[in-house]
Amino acid sequence: DAMVIQNPRYQVTQFGKPVTLSCSQTLNHNVMYWYQQKSSQAPKLLFHYYDKDFNNEADTPDNFQSRRPNTSFCFLDIRSPGLGDAAMYLCATSRGYPGTVGYNEQFFGPGTRLTVL
Amino acid sequence: EDQVTQSPEALRLQEGESSSLNCSYTVSGLRGLFWYRQDPGKGPEFLFTLYSAGEEKEKERLKATLTKKESFLHITAPKPEDSATYLCAVQAGGNTGKLIFGQGTTLQVKP
Repeated sequence: DAMVIQNPRYQVTQFGKPVTLSCSQTLNHNVMYWYQQKSSQAPKLLFHYYDKDFNNEADTPDNFQSRRPNTSFCFLDIRSPGLGDAAMYLCATSRGYPGTVGYNEQFFGPGTRLTVL
Repeated sequence: EDQVTQSPEALRLQEGESSSLNCSYTVSGLRGLFWYRQDPGKGPEFLFTLYSAGEEKEKERLKATLTKKESFLHITAPKPEDSATYLCAVQAGGNTGKLIFGQGTTLQVKP
């Protein structure tokens, strides 16, 4: 089945120790998104890629970076995690941008729960 | 500012007791309104997309409707397995596909 896969499902890191979260997709979608969801809060978009074009949200901290080496994979790098970065990180994909019906539905992976000690 | 508000925050139902969840939104140029189901510790699962006022979509016991200011998710004769958090999100004008989510409604259905 076509799907969005995130690894690891659970990640524990220490304050200030860099961490990388991984997302892969077999849907062959053009767009990949990273959302942050803190406990009992709504998911919040951090950034996204359309193919290799990177689009950062204005309020995403510089501590968060991303890489997309190919269509299937996207990585979220947190350079110096703080206690406030503990959250569920969700990867999502869509076929394209809005404008064509059926192109803008976003499909989410299972998430990576990040704990910062 | 684009905004999504869901109510109630939490809802407890008996099995078979129908009800509705509300999603009110203010957005400049609605591209689409989305409903997702999220189980604890998991990613959101896509349910519906609605594009224009008057549109309705159904899936099993769920029916989503859309007006110019709000959307309803109607749950008919719910079962315990319908227990989850239901998220509403809007896609505003512009081309990035960014979703703006509401806080969600946590539904508990008791047998």
